[in-house]
Amino acid sequence: KAGVTQTPRYLIKTRGQQVTLSCSPISGHRSVSWYQQTPGQGLQFLFEYFSETQRNKGNFPGRFSGRQFSNSRSEMNVSTLELGDSALYLCASSFSGTVNEKLFFGSGTQLSVL
Amino acid sequence: AQTVTQSQPEMSVQEAETVTLSCTYDTSESDYYLFWYKQPPSRQMILVIRQEAYKQQNATENRFSVNFQKAAKSFSLKISDSQLGDAAMYFCAYRSAGRGGSEKLVFGKGMKLTVNP
Repeated sequence: KAGVTQTPRYLIKTRGQQVTLSCSPISGHRSVSWYQQTPGQGLQFLFEYFSETQRNKGNFPGRFSGRQFSNSRSEMNVSTLELGDSALYLCASSFSGTVNEKLFFGSGTQLSVL
Repeated sequence: AQTVTQSQPEMSVQEAETVTLSCTYDTSESDYYLFWYKQPPSRQMILVIRQEAYKQQNATENRFSVNFQKAAKSFSLKISDSQLGDAAMYFCAYRSAGRGGSEKLVFGKGMKLTVNP
């Protein structure tokens, strides 16, 4: 069974641009959550989607958005990029997102904003 | 809001020896889950072990075990017979039992473990 796949693995953008990251969950998983990892702030929760609906959202500005498609694949978008958005973006999937389920993480997308 | 603290940014251990990673957390909730995740250079977060707060028995997974002290809000990870493959960043994390779904993970800052041959 394929794991969680995130594309692209690396991305370089300049300030003011926008970016879209993709996450394909494990087959059969319907919950996808996103985390931002930076050296200064550590890992912070962005949002969680289940069956195309956002169920939970972290404390990030509106420039950060996401969506989930009917096949459970998820995308996150960051508009008007800032230098501070440089980070590793990780997504995780589980069957239904309930707390007693194991989360499976992808290897992340490393975003560099110049 | 819940917080997770890992006070040791780095540790090292000799191969085959035992090492303990510390973690404390703060919460007003009574029902929650605690986790240790490992992040090797591949960047993928891998679940090492999980503890449910309502279970008094400490979780064990092969060479990995925890010392869960609920009253003290302490959750340490013991790695026995350390192997070179154990070298990685280790993150302690908290997840509320909450409403039955979609509760986020709250992570500590992480700790870099080096295993010396």
